[in-house]
Amino acid sequence: GDSVTQKEGLVTLTEGLPVMLNCTYQTIYSNAFLFWYVHYLNESPRLLLKSSTDNKRTEHQGFHATLHKSSSSFHLQKSSAQLSDSALYYCALSGNNRIFFGDGTQLVVKP
Amino acid sequence: NSKVIQTPRYLVKGQGQKAKMRCIPEKGHPVVFWYQQNKNNEFKFLINFQNQEVLQQIDMTEKRFSAECPSNSPCSLEIQSSEAGDSALYLCASRGGNTGQLYFGEGSKLTVL
Repeated sequence: GDSVTQKEGLVTLTEGLPVMLNCTYQTIYSNAFLFWYVHYLNESPRLLLKSSTDNKRTEHQGFHATLHKSSSSFHLQKSSAQLSDSALYYCALSGNNRIFFGDGTQLVVKP
Repeated sequence: NSKVIQTPRYLVKGQGQKAKMRCIPEKGHPVVFWYQQNKNNEFKFLINFQNQEVLQQIDMTEKRFSAECPSNSPCSLEIQSSEAGDSALYLCASRGGNTGQLYFGEGSKLTVL
């Protein structure tokens, strides 16, 4: 069945260092959409990035991700972490009227 | 900005009490999802609707929860008899268009004492 795996539950890094949050998935749908949602404390989760196009980089607010269907991956990256990036990040997959979420990665950026 | 409205933001119930949460989806979005975000921050799918019809739901929802999405009224999720393990943030999200993108409300945080 469909599933999303985020292997890191917590990522802690120093401001200014690059960010990479891993996301791999399983799906039978060739046209599935992959998403990254960000959830700041006391706010509603919101969409950060989405893609369904193989090998095409998508960018928003300094973050980027490239969907690689060959490796079933959609890793989230940023060149330089900011303190304000501290939040929960969820990778998600849409298919069959469902949205499948990974367990989330807590990103903590320290000064 | 999302216009999914969830009420109440917070509710506190005793074990065995009913707990009801409401959601007004974004206008024009025919599909509504309910998720439970547990203390481990994991999103657990509960139920979804397309227009007023249930599309999918998990066993727990079928047995202890009741949910509806009537036309011209808010969607609702009600726990018939709250248990301590139900303490969580309940997120409503609506979806429109073809991409599957969800628009979330701010959630209703339930505490069961």
